[in-house]
Amino acid sequence: AQSVTQLDSHVSVSEGTPVLLRCNYSSSYSPSLFWYVQHPNKGLQLLLKYTSAATLVKGINGFEAEFKKSETSFHLTKPSAHMSDAAEYFCAGGNAGNMLTFGGGTRLMVKP
Amino acid sequence: ETGVTQTPRHLVMGMTNKKSLKCEQHLGHNAMYWYKQSAKKPLELMFVYNFKEQTENNSVPSRFSPECPNSSHLFLHLHTLQPEDSALYLCASSQATGVRNSPLHFGNGTRLTVT
Repeated sequence: AQSVTQLDSHVSVSEGTPVLLRCNYSSSYSPSLFWYVQHPNKGLQLLLKYTSAATLVKGINGFEAEFKKSETSFHLTKPSAHMSDAAEYFCAGGNAGNMLTFGGGTRLMVKP
Repeated sequence: ETGVTQTPRHLVMGMTNKKSLKCEQHLGHNAMYWYKQSAKKPLELMFVYNFKEQTENNSVPSRFSPECPNSSHLFLHLHTLQPEDSALYLCASSQATGVRNSPLHFGNGTRLTVT
């Protein structure tokens, strides 16, 4: 069975400081992993995806994530938070022909 | 601008009403999905269609009835809903089903309130 766990339901940072949103997965095989962002009253938008190529994946809006097999993690980072980054972030993953499994989401708050 | 359009954006309905949610994708995808997003709960997959055929029904109550007349359109017919069905209903599409054929492209959702 596969599962995706987001370790923090809420993260608060100050504008200009680094962002770290944590995601762990459980999978018997090499998974495909994704990060999505959801702004209020909007659908989910793809930030980046990992599909067994480079372990460091760069996405939109300055976000990136690193696949670490030894830690079964796929944490999302950004060097410097912007007010517009305030949103809910979802990690998702799965294997091959299976459906995507979503984590519970992390709400990112950015303080001025 | 999203390639997946959902209408209406907001819907308020009584428990005895019948209404439908509509989703249209302009991406040439073959798979379409309905998700339910409730406050403080994980995203719930409801139905999946691949090449117009339903491939997943995630134990959804029969008061929700999906319809996929072609690969570009997906409907969710609602009848005799309960207040706990109030949620954001998200439609998504992908090239085909399966994680390797992701990513999913989402619409902006229909905010449903059942009174």
